[in-house]
Amino acid sequence: GAGVSQTPSNKVTEKGKYVELRCDPISGHTALYWYRQSLGQGPEFLIYFQGTGAADDSGLPNDRFFAVRPEGSVSTLKIQRTERGDSAVYLCASSLTASGASDTQYFGPGTRLTVL
Amino acid sequence: RKEVEQDPGPFNVPEGATVAFNCTYSNSASQSFFWYRQDCRKEPKLLMSVYSSGNEDGRFTAQLNRASQYISLLIRDSKLSDSATYLCVVRALTGGGNKLTFGTGTQLKVEL
Repeated sequence: GAGVSQTPSNKVTEKGKYVELRCDPISGHTALYWYRQSLGQGPEFLIYFQGTGAADDSGLPNDRFFAVRPEGSVSTLKIQRTERGDSAVYLCASSLTASGASDTQYFGPGTRLTVL
Repeated sequence: RKEVEQDPGPFNVPEGATVAFNCTYSNSASQSFFWYRQDCRKEPKLLMSVYSSGNEDGRFTAQLNRASQYISLLIRDSKLSDSATYLCVVRALTGGGNKLTFGTGTQLKVEL
């Protein structure tokens, strides 16, 4: 079946611009997660949605970052006034539930963001 | 100090060798433990969960020592296709959720 998809696969933008990154989770998965992976590092948690609501946004680095999931399926990560330090691969993951035996997180291929 | 620490490597081993990776974690509230594999420029994929009793999946064996907060992965009879970065991952349930904390990864290169 279809896995987690993310668009665009690559995004190059200029410092100060606004970007939106999209994640389409596996159908039926109620939990959705965003992570950020910088070069040479492991993924770092940003935000987690259970359904439409953000259950944990403790990983968002500052108020330039915002994410939504209005219908409990597709999610958009929004970054305002991008900075060069925002350059990274942004990974989305989904899981059937957020606890118990069905909580394995499946990752999408990521969006590689480059801020010039 | 990072929550999950791993030796970044690289570990360069010949085909057929046995190789072991170690990982330590600092959050004693961590409840679940995993090894993920990540190929170059690809997404992480779950390799195996790690249980206190130790568990094996083919050539891969994972061990957990809760008292020492230490996790290991052993790969026997390594193959060229095992070349990848291996990420040690822990999970502490927060807010009813499922946040994963990753180590920096250990790079493995299996050579002819």
